[in-house]
Amino acid sequence: DVKVTQSSRYLVKRTGEKVFLECVQDMDHENMFWYRQDPGLGLRLIYFSYDVKMKEKGDIPEGYSVSREKKERFSLILESASTNQTSMYLCASSKYDGELFFGEGSRLTVL
Amino acid sequence: DAKTTQPPSMDCAEGRAANLPCNHSTISGNEYVYWYRQIHSQGPQYIIHGLKNNETNEMASLIITEDRKSSTLILPHATLRDTAVYYCIVRVPDFGNEKLTFGTGTRLTIIP
Repeated sequence: DVKVTQSSRYLVKRTGEKVFLECVQDMDHENMFWYRQDPGLGLRLIYFSYDVKMKEKGDIPEGYSVSREKKERFSLILESASTNQTSMYLCASSKYDGELFFGEGSRLTVL
Repeated sequence: DAKTTQPPSMDCAEGRAANLPCNHSTISGNEYVYWYRQIHSQGPQYIIHGLKNNETNEMASLIITEDRKSSTLILPHATLRDTAVYYCIVRVPDFGNEKLTFGTGTRLTIIP
């Protein structure tokens, strides 16, 4: 089975801290995605990547950056966390023409 | 990618068929319709997808209208475990341009 693993299920950080959310997939998928999910707003795309070192902005990239140095790993970076970035973050991966596989999510709280 | 419209919530009695509609009136000819669901506290899970023909798998059936402007996901015998948020998206595999937007979905509640 495809597995998408997010490094932490729950994180608590302070305002201004640098935060790294890691995502690893084990099926050699080309595409990887980061979403955030907030009540009433559904899933919103932050960034996606279609190849190593390639990245594209999604709908809400402000305040975030990403890194994809290896095909299996896609990292989401909050350079200076703010309270409005408290959310559930979901990573997904897919083959070029296949369905998305999601991780279990990382719930980030910024105090 | 075309946008989709879904009702925010629906109820269905346990054991009955659950029919979840999705409107995608601006879909283009090479865009597929995908359905996912998200059970509380888990990541979304793929259910089914189709281009223009109706599709069926072990989880559900997908009915796409002839003009492709809308579709219906059918869970034939709903159980309590089908209570979830269901997302309909449209997608064309386009290398480097997979900007997939999910929206808010339909919250389906199965009533015992």
